[in-house]
Amino acid sequence: GAGVSQSPRYKVAKRGQDVALRCDPISGHVSLFWYQQALGQGPEFLTYFQNEAQLDKSGLPSDRFFAERPEGSVSTLKIQRTQQEDSAVYLCASSSLGASEPQHFGDGTRLSIL
Amino acid sequence: GENVEQHPSTLSVQEGDSAVIKCTYSDSASNYFPWYKQELGKRPQLIIDIRSNVGEKKDQRIAVTLNKTAKHFSLHITETQPEDSAVYFCAPFSGYSTLTFGKGTMLLVSP
Repeated sequence: GAGVSQSPRYKVAKRGQDVALRCDPISGHVSLFWYQQALGQGPEFLTYFQNEAQLDKSGLPSDRFFAERPEGSVSTLKIQRTQQEDSAVYLCASSSLGASEPQHFGDGTRLSIL
Repeated sequence: GENVEQHPSTLSVQEGDSAVIKCTYSDSASNYFPWYKQELGKRPQLIIDIRSNVGEKKDQRIAVTLNKTAKHFSLHITETQPEDSAVYFCAPFSGYSTLTFGKGTMLLVSP
């Protein structure tokens, strides 16, 4: 595709509900990254995929966060039993290969937990 | 992990002036140094990047300079325009899985 596409753009959920956020990377990009951006802060790393392999998930805040990329293309970030502190913008980025190649970001999903 | 600091946190200039934002990092193994621009409610956009074997790179009104010895790199914007107003992030890469973003610099260009 022309760019990284994320859906939904906005998501409102009640505390305790599960949510799923989707990322469709640039076609052919091997690497995919998820970031969390709190208001007024820079993006913070959550997890990294190379093709379908999740090579690093050290940034996931708790075991309520789970990410997958089963066919090496589209990725889903799932948050179970959401808490208010999960409210943030979740950004997805892709690159041709690795973090030292230019990363292209999607518009993000703004998640609000009530 | 990498410690990244940006200065200043906010910068106000008049249209046509130059703006400089400095980023310091801690990991001497860092070898890739991008700058991102993020307008309110929009995605971060890569505006310029430099690798460790180069000291300076320029693209029209934007340039990046790197001082590996001192572990800092800077973004230079000349002839600023109102549309340059945004938050700018440095995000050095040190060989771990991903970039480490600074806290950002809000640039305001007044007409």
